[in-house]
Amino acid sequence: GQNIDQPTEMTATEGAIVQINCTYQTSGFNGLFWYQQHAGEAPTFLSYNVLDGLEEKGRFSSFLSRSKGYSYLLLKELQMKDSASYLCAVLDSNYQLIWGAGTKLIIKP
Amino acid sequence: DAMVIQNPRYQVTQFGKPVTLSCSQTLNHNVMYWYQQKSSQAPKLLFHYYDKDFNNEADTPDNFQSRRPNTSFCFLDIRSPGLGDAAMYLCATSSARGGSTDTQYFGPGTRLTVL
Repeated sequence: GQNIDQPTEMTATEGAIVQINCTYQTSGFNGLFWYQQHAGEAPTFLSYNVLDGLEEKGRFSSFLSRSKGYSYLLLKELQMKDSASYLCAVLDSNYQLIWGAGTKLIIKP
Repeated sequence: DAMVIQNPRYQVTQFGKPVTLSCSQTLNHNVMYWYQQKSSQAPKLLFHYYDKDFNNEADTPDNFQSRRPNTSFCFLDIRSPGLGDAAMYLCATSSARGGSTDTQYFGPGTRLTVL
């Protein structure tokens, strides 16, 4: 079966750095996506990785290791508005997007 | 701005009363998706259209139907909503031409309440 694992919930402090991990086992791989979803809203696209390495985009960075089936999303200089769920999703060999259940990130002052 | 629009944002219906949710896009993407998402769960793909080709997920109940009359519009019909169908319904689009064009862009969602 296809599976994506990420922690259910994490807590961090405003101004700090947090790393959200994602491991996956899928039928093939055509890219990994990170989405942010605020409560009651739709997911919004954050990043896309298809090659190994780190992609940096402002305060957010995403890392991929295809050999390990592993990715992380790194959020720096945390702000209260970063409180949201972060969903990891993998595009499999059939170009179907396999979703993780999301990590709820709680930011404390 | 190019975008994905869903109407209505909130829909209340009665048990068994048919309901239609709509989605439109100005991104000119060839693929449109309908997802169901319940609280604290991953989005669940119901079906998608690749251009006019309809693709139904194996576990999507027959109670759910979809129409795509043209590139810009897609509809989700729930023929006889049950209490278990109360959820957020998300429409998404993508170019699906490989690489980062496979990124799916979501509308704001329609929250369905079944009384």
